[in-house]
Amino acid sequence: KAGVTQTPRYLIKTRGQQVTLSCSPISGHRSVSWYQQTPGQGLQFLFEYFSETQRNKGNFPGRFSGRQFSNSRSEMNVSTLELGDSALYLCASSYSVPGTEAFFGQGTRLTVV
Amino acid sequence: KQEVTQIPAALSVPEGENLVLNCSFTDSAIYNLQWFRQDPGKGLTSLLLIQSSQREQTSGRLNASLDKSSGRSTLYIAASQPGDSATYLCAVPPSNTGNQFYFGTGTSLTVIP
Repeated sequence: KAGVTQTPRYLIKTRGQQVTLSCSPISGHRSVSWYQQTPGQGLQFLFEYFSETQRNKGNFPGRFSGRQFSNSRSEMNVSTLELGDSALYLCASSYSVPGTEAFFGQGTRLTVV
Repeated sequence: KQEVTQIPAALSVPEGENLVLNCSFTDSAIYNLQWFRQDPGKGLTSLLLIQSSQREQTSGRLNASLDKSSGRSTLYIAASQPGDSATYLCAVPPSNTGNQFYFGTGTSLTVIP
């Protein structure tokens, strides 16, 4: 079956702009989580969506937001981009039960200039 | 908050050698522990998932163990190959939340032909 699909794979944005990233989970998975990966901070949890509702949230500013649609696809949005937002953004999908195996997409590489 | 540590941070071995990667976590109240590999600039590939009730899980040349009481997991790779070169990450979800993972900082493995 198809894996987790993230689009776009690469993005270059200017400071102050906003960006939207998309994640399509594995069919049947209703939980989608987002992570930011940087060389200095490693992998950090942004938020998790389940049944169109945010179930968990990490320690990121309000400029980072997300949503989930009825087909479980998820988007995350970053407004007023800063240079420090440059990172690899990964999404993971899994079944609804907490602690089930997670599968990750290839990520979106965001560069803010 | 769960703290996950991986030792060593980097490891270089000759092809054919058996090796062990270590992961420790501070809160033993976990659902499971998952090992991933990440190739440079790519997403995470799930290797093994060990449920909290299990002590070991095997897949091919990989064997992962879990000791919840001591907060430790090891990933054993037998007969290492150059294709095993990657960063290996362990991740644990807290028991009282959804699908949110705390990640270790990873072990960067290089297998020399």
